[in-house]
Amino acid sequence: QQQVKQSPQSLIVQKGGISIINCAYENTAFDYFPWYQQFPGKGPALLIAIRPDVSEKKEGRFTISFNKSAKQFSLHIMDSQPGDSATYFCAASMSSGNTPLVFGKGTRLSVIA
Amino acid sequence: DAGVIQSPRHEVTEMGQEVTLRCKPISGHNSLFWYRQTMMRGLELLIYFNNNVPIDDSGMPEDRFSAKMPNASFSTLKIQPSEPRDSAVYFCASSFRHNRSPLHFGNGTRLTVT
Repeated sequence: QQQVKQSPQSLIVQKGGISIINCAYENTAFDYFPWYQQFPGKGPALLIAIRPDVSEKKEGRFTISFNKSAKQFSLHIMDSQPGDSATYFCAASMSSGNTPLVFGKGTRLSVIA
Repeated sequence: DAGVIQSPRHEVTEMGQEVTLRCKPISGHNSLFWYRQTMMRGLELLIYFNNNVPIDDSGMPEDRFSAKMPNASFSTLKIQPSEPRDSAVYFCASSFRHNRSPLHFGNGTRLTVT
C-alpha cells in the first residue's frame, strides 16, 4: 500500500515558469513532510521540509504548501531554471514511534529554455 | 565531512554471483538505511539500523538479500545469488535520528546483473 502518492510522474516547464508537484498522504499521524531533490548520478538531498503547524514554507524560489484537512502538500518552484532539472521526491514520517521516511515515487522535472 | 560513502559506484555481475555493497555513514550518525531505486518502484526502503541494530527488514525482497552493520562506521548489503531483476541503484543513507533529522544519501551503487 502506497502511503504517499506523488504526481505528476514527469513534468516539463519553460524557463521562468512555475513548477508544481503534488503529494497526498493517507496516514494522519504523519507530522513531518520533506522534499528531496536528486540530480543524475547522485543521491537524493534534502531540499525543504514542513511541519503541519504551518500552511506554507518558503525558501528562496522553493515553497511548500500544506493542506492538513485534505492531507495534501505541494512543492512550487518559482522562476524555474534549467539547473532545477532533477527528480523530486516528497516524503512523510511520524516524529513519534520508530518509523522512517516514506517516499513518493518521484517526479522528473525538465526545465527547458 | 566526506558524506556517506558507498562502494563500488558500479557493479556488473553475472546471474548467480554474490554481490556485496558497502557503506560508510557520516560519523556521529546513529541511523543507517538501505534503499533501492528503480524506475518502476521509485525509492524502496530495504532495511534500516539504529545504533547498529537492525530495526525493520520487512523491505528486503527475499532471503537472497542480507545486511549487516558490524560497527557504527560500516554496513554491507549482500545479494546471494544475484538475479537480473536485482538490477537497480542501491543507496545507503544515514541520519542522526531517523524520524525528523535529514537523511544524507550516498551517491549509490548501480548494480547490473546479466
